[in-house]
Amino acid sequence: TQLLEQSPQFLSIQEGENLTVYCNSSSVFSSLQWYRQEPGEGPVLLVTVVTGGEVKKLKRLTFQFGDARKDSSLHITAAQPGDTGLYLCAGRTSGGSYIPTFGRGTSLIVHP
Amino acid sequence: GAGVSQSPSNKVTEKGKDVELRCDPISGHTALYWYRQSLGQGLEFLIYFQGNSAPDKSGLPSDRFSAERTGGSVSTLTIQRTQQEDSAVYLCASSSSGANVLTFGAGSRLTVL
Repeated sequence: TQLLEQSPQFLSIQEGENLTVYCNSSSVFSSLQWYRQEPGEGPVLLVTVVTGGEVKKLKRLTFQFGDARKDSSLHITAAQPGDTGLYLCAGRTSGGSYIPTFGRGTSLIVHP
Repeated sequence: GAGVSQSPSNKVTEKGKDVELRCDPISGHTALYWYRQSLGQGLEFLIYFQGNSAPDKSGLPSDRFSAERTGGSVSTLTIQRTQQEDSAVYLCASSSSGANVLTFGAGSRLTVL
């Protein structure tokens, strides 16, 4: 059983479209992170959210942490080809684990 | 170094051979993690080091897998008697003590024929 479920698994869109990807769990997380991974590279951290209901913006990317700290979403406005990549969410449970658990990721392709 | 360095970047081996994968973390980072990424499977945790100790190695899939870290720096992941299902990208990450940010290397792609 995957602790963190991400959806959709694949997304192929045209430049300029908006999209939202989701990260859901039945567990409560003390913090949740979003990473982006490009082919042949390791994941790179985009954002960390720690407070229920928190919203963070990074240019055209908006991240939200659910009120109960069990889920998160990533919204991209006016997607560009440079947004193409694998988006991974990772959470640390409230037990103070030092080891983040990763979801399977959403593979995004933005066509010019 | 400036980033996390992993070697080799690509390794092709025959079933039954042993392989060693190396990770050189960011200087001063006390925590080091190994993950495995298979196609469509996301990142699977293997082992976590704090300094030279491994308080959590619960993700190692079998006793063919082992890892060590020396001098609080370089880590080696060893896979003995490789099997085809071991084919994956092996990612290493490091972080500073108490930090919530992992910096990943580019990974070592292992292909077992």
